[in-house]
Amino acid sequence: DTAVSQTPKYLVTQMGNDKSIKCEQNLGHDTMYWYKQDSKKFLKIMFSYNNKELIINETVPNRFSPKSPDKAHLNLHINSLELGDSAVYFCASNSGGRETQYFGPGTRLLVL
Amino acid sequence: GESVGLHLPTLSVQEGDNSIINCAYSNSASDYFIWYKQESGKGPQFIIDIRSNMDKRQGQRVTVLLNKTVKHLSLQIAATQPGDSAVYFCAENGAPGSARQLTFGSGTQLTVLP
Repeated sequence: DTAVSQTPKYLVTQMGNDKSIKCEQNLGHDTMYWYKQDSKKFLKIMFSYNNKELIINETVPNRFSPKSPDKAHLNLHINSLELGDSAVYFCASNSGGRETQYFGPGTRLLVL
Repeated sequence: GESVGLHLPTLSVQEGDNSIINCAYSNSASDYFIWYKQESGKGPQFIIDIRSNMDKRQGQRVTVLLNKTVKHLSLQIAATQPGDSAVYFCAENGAPGSARQLTFGSGTQLTVLP
């Protein structure tokens, strides 16, 4: 009955590789988000999609590309991974507007 | 840019005592604030929220206080329990008409001592 789920939970990869992280929500929300949490626990928004349309795109390298096949899914593809991409990535969703966001369990990415 | 910050990065309290976690924000136009709890290895979990037309809101064992004059909010946890040990974040959701994004504070690590 997981509301917001992410796969994989852990991802260890070599520098230069391309990887994807998947997110799904079964809450019927129409807005989904990706956040990056660094080693100091600081959370920063990366992207936001509403009904499959990009509405927020913070200053993120264009190696990061979100894809929303439908409003229940928001995947994050990362090209040419760099050491500095190592972090925990969280997906979140809400019913739009400025309502409470619900977070997934996170994907721990380690780039070697 | 606007920011949301916390006064203390760590807080240790005895089990059974009350905890108070503070947060300062700088966007005076913000009208919605949220507290999240993040346990180790998990995602942030909603605790309680408050809108700017309120000064205080209570939940189960938690109370959020908002002081718009000094742009400060606090989270009070009554009778702190070991399960309350976590990182607590305040977040503001921008002013009316702003983009739908949360700006998080840097977090406070709460440790409950036996």
